[in-house]
Amino acid sequence: NAGVTQTPKFRVLKTGQSMTLLCAQDMNHEYMYWYRQDPGMGLRLIHYSVGEGTTAKGEVPDGYNVSRLKKQNFLLGLESAAPSQTSVYFCASSYSEEPSGGYEQYFGPGTRLTVT
Amino acid sequence: GESVGLHLPTLSVQEGDNSIINCAYSNSASDYFIWYKQESGKGPQFIIDIRSNMDKRQGQRVTVLLNKTVKHLSLQIAATQPGDSAVYFCAENGARYSGNTPLVFGKGTRLSVIA
Repeated sequence: NAGVTQTPKFRVLKTGQSMTLLCAQDMNHEYMYWYRQDPGMGLRLIHYSVGEGTTAKGEVPDGYNVSRLKKQNFLLGLESAAPSQTSVYFCASSYSEEPSGGYEQYFGPGTRLTVT
Repeated sequence: GESVGLHLPTLSVQEGDNSIINCAYSNSASDYFIWYKQESGKGPQFIIDIRSNMDKRQGQRVTVLLNKTVKHLSLQIAATQPGDSAVYFCAENGARYSGNTPLVFGKGTRLSVIA
């Protein structure tokens, strides 16, 4: 199993450009998450999904949109990038209910985004 | 412990010694806690978890202790090795909505192992 994969690994955008980050998981997990991580900070939840076709806001949702059209994929979109969105973005997935897997989240390798 | 501002607290430990990394959590209703390890340039990796009906749980070279009275969590690493150098995050399942609630992460502690 590949686990959780993210594409691209690196990206540089100009202010105002748009892009989509793709997350894929092959563990048949119901739940998927997008986080951002800034220097010296922990992980902050942007949006998450509890199943195909559903999404919910996390702690820092402004400026981002997400879609979960297929169970295995979770897309994060930036419609008009801003320098404040320069960060490392992590995707994660998890099982939905105990006792199958508890709350453990499996993380992807991250996407480093720079907005100039 | 938890960081303030942009600088992570750093714990420096001699190779072979035991390490103790501390974490204070915020929500007394949290009933699940987890420790992650993040090496430079990689995503977080699961280390160990504990539920609130337990005070202690042991894994391979790691032990997690939970003190619900003071809302404190600690991760103990026995015989610390250079490969243990990383940033360690604690997380709690925060306020309960329904089902699997997103985890709430602390800001992390950097462990530096001196060979």
